[in-house]
Amino acid sequence: DTGVSQDPRHKITKRGQNVTFRCDPISEHNRLYWYRQTLGQGPEFLTYFQNEAQLEKSRLLSDRFSAERPKGSFSTLEIQRTEQGDSAMYLCASSLGGGASGSGEQFFGPGTRLTVL
Amino acid sequence: GIQVEQSPPDLILQEGANSTLRCNFSDSVNNLQWFHQNPWGQLINLFYIPSGTKQNGRLSATTVATERYSLLYISSSQTTDSGVYFCAVYSGGGADGLTFGKGTHLIIQP
Repeated sequence: DTGVSQDPRHKITKRGQNVTFRCDPISEHNRLYWYRQTLGQGPEFLTYFQNEAQLEKSRLLSDRFSAERPKGSFSTLEIQRTEQGDSAMYLCASSLGGGASGSGEQFFGPGTRLTVL
Repeated sequence: GIQVEQSPPDLILQEGANSTLRCNFSDSVNNLQWFHQNPWGQLINLFYIPSGTKQNGRLSATTVATERYSLLYISSSQTTDSGVYFCAVYSGGGADGLTFGKGTHLIIQP
């Protein structure tokens, strides 16, 4: 299967701890996105990379959140000093995009469900 | 930013029925996608349809970009069609993520 993969699928942590999630995009895709989804809502955009460059960050991405995509391949999303409000599903997507056509069709991974106790 | 409204928010149908889900958006868009989110949270791509009409089996979709809406049709519903259907748009202009609606929660009863 060559779809988007995410690890771990579930993470339970205590308030104040740091957590890191990993996303492996579809191999030929140059764009990688992170979204957050809370119960009963649609996913909300957090940030995106074109190759290794982080080009856009949402206002939702507080200073406790940081994302990297070294070498333009996999990406990591780290949350420092987790809070109970960080509990959500964290989704990663990738696309082959750019130019006037926009982002291209985005394909999503299975998500990492974070629970902060 | 762009606003996306989906209707109806909830829909309960008997197996075999047909349904139409609507997505309205507040500004011009470059891309529009329909997704089905299964009970495990996986978003499954249904259509990539910034304009025009597409069909895939029992599902079809139409986007009328000039009037800022899209419709998803499901015919001869099956219980496996149950779940949440999301419309998401990309408007460009620096906000390069998709903007999602709140979804339509579809329940197909046997």
